[in-house]
Parts: sequence; structure tokens; C-alpha cells
Amino acid sequence: SYVLTQPPSVSVAPGKAARIPCGGNHIGGQSVHWYQQKPGQAPVLVIYHNSDRPSGIPERFSGSNTGNTATLTISRVEAGDEADYYCQVWDSTSDHRVFGGGTKLTVL
Amino acid sequence: ELQLVESGGGLGKPGGSLRLSCAASGFTFSTYTMNWVRQTPGKGLEWVSSISSTSKYIYYADSVKGRFTISRDNTKNSLYLQMNSLRAEDTAVFYCAREIVGPTTGFFDNWGQGTLVTVSS
Repeated sequence: SYVLTQPPSVSVAPGKAARIPCGGNHIGGQSVHWYQQKPGQAPVLVIYHNSDRPSGIPERFSGSNTGNTATLTISRVEAGDEADYYCQVWDSTSDHRVFGGGTKLTVL
Repeated sequence: ELQLVESGGGLGKPGGSLRLSCAASGFTFSTYTMNWVRQTPGKGLEWVSSISSTSKYIYYADSVKGRFTISRDNTKNSLYLQMNSLRAEDTAVFYCAREIVGPTTGFFDNWGQGTLVTVSS
């Protein structure tokens, strides 16, 4: 089965950019989606199809995907961005949906 | 307003059964693929099962295949998950999620608030 690998944690100072990687074999050929989850809340979609933003998501959130790594970038990080972030793909060989292990973003 | 409201969680015994429900409103339920996603307390998200709009296509994670059954009733705008042969490792918050499906991809654009399932004797 397809495996997505994320670092357990990323730390960033307020106002700086946070980059959260999601690794997978030839992931650049897949469509990657990203979710934000704050404590005690349901996940929220922040990026779909590698780089598209749903309505209501700030332009500070962007995504890219090439080679074996997809990346969620949060520009000008704010305290309110502190959350867990998950990447997700559709494994076309099994039609299973796959999540990465999640990355906890800490704003210093 | 779009809403997904899960119910049916609670305490189940090892080897026992529970049935989860998800009531949908605010959108045309019968035209969307729906999913169950779970999260063990303090851990990450795990996709559990998917059912297409007409129930033609159904998929399960290997961890629940043969024990869980997903179904839907489009006349009642409801999604279900019948969980049998429960194990301690099934303890989790279960989320109902609407999926936007495209060619070889899909993403979850709306989620319910979740219902907690605890499996313990």
C-alpha cells in the first residue's frame, strides 16, 4: 500500500514561513490534499489538488508537489496556525484513501 | 448550511458490535461519495471506508475489512457504519466526511464533528 511520510513536528517563529513536507514514491504524479486539525476539532481542508485553496482559506496557505515530495507552505505564520497538518492522496492501485502520519506545527 | 452529524458512538465490548450513523443536510446527499475516517486518541487520521453515491463502489481499509460494513440510505440522507467483532484498537473518534471525487483522486471537503467509540470490557 502507498505510504506518505511526514515529520512529526515543525517549529517556526511568528511571521516566518513554515514548510511541511509530505514524502511518497513518485508523489509528484499524484494529486495531494492537505488538512488542518486543531485540538478537539474536526479536520479542515486547506489545500486540494496540490495547490488549490478552498474558499475561506487565507492566501498564506499554498502547496506544491514535485518528484517525491509535496509541500504545504504557510507564509507569515500566525499563532492561530498552530495545529496538526495531514497530507492525503488516493491510492489508485487499491482505491484506498491514504493519510500521512501528520505534522504538529508549533509557533514559537 | 451543510451539516454532517454523527451518532451511535459509545462503549462497546471486545467482540461486540456498534452501528454508527451520519445524518447529512444542506446538500444533495445522493450525489456524493461518502467516507468514514477515524482517529485514535492522540494519534493521526486513518481512512476506514468509502461508498459511492449509488453504493456501487465500496472500499475498506485492510484493518477493518470483513468486520465493518458501510452503507447509505439516500432517501434518508444518511450514512452508516456497522462495526462487528470490535477490538480494543478500534477505539477512536469516527468522522463522517463528504468526498469530492475526480479522475483517480478525491478529497474530503466537509467533515462531521465525530463520535467517540470506546472498546473495552
